[in-house]
Amino acid sequence: DVVLTQTPPTLSATIGQSVSISCRSSQSLLDSDGDTYLNWLLQRPGQSPQLLIYSVSNVESGVPNRFSGSGSETDFTLKISGVEAEDLGVYYCMQATHAPLTFGSGTKLEIK
Amino acid sequence: QVQLKETGPDLVQLTQTLSITCTVSGFSLTTYNVHWVRQPPGKGLEWMGAMWNGGGTDYNSAFKSRLSISRDTSKSQVFLKMNSLQTDDTAKYFCARHRLVYGSYFFDYWGQGVMVTVSS
Repeated sequence: DVVLTQTPPTLSATIGQSVSISCRSSQSLLDSDGDTYLNWLLQRPGQSPQLLIYSVSNVESGVPNRFSGSGSETDFTLKISGVEAEDLGVYYCMQATHAPLTFGSGTKLEIK
Repeated sequence: QVQLKETGPDLVQLTQTLSITCTVSGFSLTTYNVHWVRQPPGKGLEWMGAMWNGGGTDYNSAFKSRLSISRDTSKSQVFLKMNSLQTDDTAKYFCARHRLVYGSYFFDYWGQGVMVTVSS
């Protein structure tokens, strides 16, 4: 199975600070069809996960534009440009290029 | 309005069978795929399997021998059934909708999940 390693495991940020989360894959996530199936999700405390970014860099409708995604092959980054209080929670990367679909171990964002 | 809601038991006995229902609204099971994902307490997410819009299924091989997913399109329900439960099957079980977008693969709506404890 593809292993997604997220760093850091925990992140502490002040309001307005910009932060980045890394997701490294044990295999390239570039599919033979030319697409890269890497998504980012946020799970707020006590809530279900919600989609933030799909296919590396596409921001889901309704998600604030302070969230952005980048990367290719095995290295991916989620950036939050100006953290807000509502951004606290656990961020997961998720790959769907290789079966079975797998998730990263999560990065917990705390607000100072 | 798209909604998914999981219903099932809070407690299941060791070695028994778990049955959870995901009832959806706002979309058709013949148009969208529905997946099952679980999350042990304080831990990460684990993909279990999927019900395709055409009626086929796919399973994570980690569960394949004891997991079954089925549906009743007339009732807009997807069912998860897993046998031989162990204590490490204690988790919150989610169903999620898979939006079909060319060149992408993601879940755009999730249920609130049902927490299941396996007890000895």
